[in-house]
Amino acid sequence: NAGVTQTPKFQVLKTGQSMTLQCAQDMNHEYMSWYRQDPGMGLRLIHYSVGAGITDQGEVPNGYNVSRSTTEDFPLRLLSAAPSQTSVYFCASSSLAGSTDTQYFGPGTRLTVL
Amino acid sequence: AQSVTQPDIHITVSEGASLELRCNYSYGATPYLFWYVQSPGQGLQLLLKYFSGDTLVQGIKGFEAEFKRSQSSFNLRKPSVHWSDAAEYFCAVSASGGSYIPTFGRGTSLIVHP
Repeated sequence: NAGVTQTPKFQVLKTGQSMTLQCAQDMNHEYMSWYRQDPGMGLRLIHYSVGAGITDQGEVPNGYNVSRSTTEDFPLRLLSAAPSQTSVYFCASSSLAGSTDTQYFGPGTRLTVL
Repeated sequence: AQSVTQPDIHITVSEGASLELRCNYSYGATPYLFWYVQSPGQGLQLLLKYFSGDTLVQGIKGFEAEFKRSQSSFNLRKPSVHWSDAAEYFCAVSASGGSYIPTFGRGTSLIVHP
């Protein structure tokens, strides 16, 4: 199993550009989520999904869109990038969204918006 | 809603010394508690978790944590730290009923001196 994969690993954007961060998992997990990590802020939940076709907002959803057309993939779209979106983005997955389930994290995407 | 506090932003220890990282949570019922470790440039990896039973939980890499309901704490310990333990450590809590989305603390950065 590859686990949770994220692409790209690094990305530099100009203000106003759009892009999609890719996330895929091969563990047949129903629950997937996106976090951003900023210094001193820990992990903040952006969006999450409990299965194909079902998504919901987390703590900091503004400026981001998600969709879940398959169990495996959960892309995160930045519609019009802003410098405030400079961050490290992590995708995570777990089975059945159970409270005791371990979250499996991807290696992260480091995004810089100029 | 649940919350997690990690009161120490940075902890510095000498190699071979013992370690305790603090985690306090706020949740009305029995929480499910996790510790994750993030090595530089990597995603998060589960160290250990507690959801029932023995309040002293053993994890990977020689770590353990103790759940103390009376103190609302779940502190992480290791008797002898190795230089490779230098990393960011995150405590997380999930609700035992209702929302299954984990809440993460802001993290504690562990620095190990030779």
